[in-house]
Amino acid sequence: GQQLNQSPQSMFIQEGEDVSMNCTSSSIFNTWLWYKQDPGEGPVLLIALYKAGELTSNGRLTAQFGITRKDSFLNISASIPSDVGIYFCAGQPNQAGTALIFGKGTTLSVSS
Amino acid sequence: NAGVTQTPKFQVLKTGQSMTLQCAQDMNHNSMYWYRQDPGMGLRLIYYSASEGTTDKGEVPNGYNVSRLNKREFSLRLESAAPSQTSVYFCASSAAYSYEQYFGPGTRLTVT
Repeated sequence: GQQLNQSPQSMFIQEGEDVSMNCTSSSIFNTWLWYKQDPGEGPVLLIALYKAGELTSNGRLTAQFGITRKDSFLNISASIPSDVGIYFCAGQPNQAGTALIFGKGTTLSVSS
Repeated sequence: NAGVTQTPKFQVLKTGQSMTLQCAQDMNHNSMYWYRQDPGMGLRLIYYSASEGTTDKGEVPNGYNVSRLNKREFSLRLESAAPSQTSVYFCASSAAYSYEQYFGPGTRLTVT
């Protein structure tokens, strides 16, 4: 089946640093989504991308839909302690309302 | 607005016992999903329901059954629990023709 490769698996950074993570697939996706999961909670949608080349921001977060439609990137600027959590990419290869395929997540730790 | 709710939050079962995990959404969404999350594995789809009255298998359906009781509710049943089903279970929903899925807080299940 289709798989998403998400990297890095984990990151340990200092408060104030910028963070970059990415997700790649072997096939084309129509949509890319980025979620954040706090400990003990469900994933929360951060950014949704719908067009190849699209660049979308949500506060200090910026995500891009790769031009090849096989990858996506998430950047966090000026990290703060509450950015700690697991970040998941998810892609949807087919029509809306069907299953998302999730990456395995990037665990972010921020030290102050 | 509660969004997606799940009950129970925690459950411990003995091998061979059965139980039903409940999920409800108040966003008038057409599609609902059940995922399991295991360490290092990301989120894997168990079953989904694209609309009321329909259900389809996901990536890991063995050992589970589902019921789309009405538009609001989607339940997941374990008929004979096994230790391999120890996991965190998340329910999600999405609107018709939307790629954005919204998650509940999860049910933490341990099978001994």
